[in-house]
Amino acid sequence: AQSVTQLDSQVPVFEEAPVELRCNYSSSVSVYLFWYVQYPNQGLQLLLKYLSGSTLVKGINGFEAEFNKSQTSFHLRKPSVHISDTAEYFCAVSDSTNDYKLSFGAGTTVTVRA
Amino acid sequence: ETGVTQTPRHLVMGMTNKKSLKCEQHLGHNAMYWYKQSAKKPLELMFVYNFKEQTENNSVPSRFSPECPNSSHLFLHLHTLQPEDSALYLCASSPGRGDGDYGYTFGSGTRLTVV
Repeated sequence: AQSVTQLDSQVPVFEEAPVELRCNYSSSVSVYLFWYVQYPNQGLQLLLKYLSGSTLVKGINGFEAEFNKSQTSFHLRKPSVHISDTAEYFCAVSDSTNDYKLSFGAGTTVTVRA
Repeated sequence: ETGVTQTPRHLVMGMTNKKSLKCEQHLGHNAMYWYKQSAKKPLELMFVYNFKEQTENNSVPSRFSPECPNSSHLFLHLHTLQPEDSALYLCASSPGRGDGDYGYTFGSGTRLTVV
């Protein structure tokens, strides 16, 4: 079975500074990887996904993530954050061993300060 | 209307009440999910339906009763809940088995408060 570890539970960052959210996964087979964002009192919205091909994936709102198979990581980055990026971010993985159901990390809360 | 729609957005109910949460998707997906999201806890998968058939029940108490009459609609019937059941309940859908893209589309959730 696969699992996901988000290494930081909370990340405070100043506006216009870069941010990186770390995600590591474990799986014995090929994986699909996802990052979701949840704004207060909202559902989860897909930011980006890696299915195959280029290991650098670009998503919405200026976010990107890089798949590193050797390090089993899928870290999320944004070069310059805005106040509106304050939210909770979830990393998720799926593979064939669990019928492609998503396994989610515990989430990382990003708080952007002026 | 597109995407996944959940109603109501907010619900306050007493412990002896019976209520239902509704989820509707217009994406042509074949799989639907109920998740519970409590404060300071990871997302908990409750139920999975594929092509209207329940394929997963993660030891959810019987006071939660799901219903999936067709691939577009999913309900969660609630009765004699406890205060610890207060949470955000999220519905999601996905294309289902056999498709290359297994990402989920989530609804906005129902914020449930049990008093």
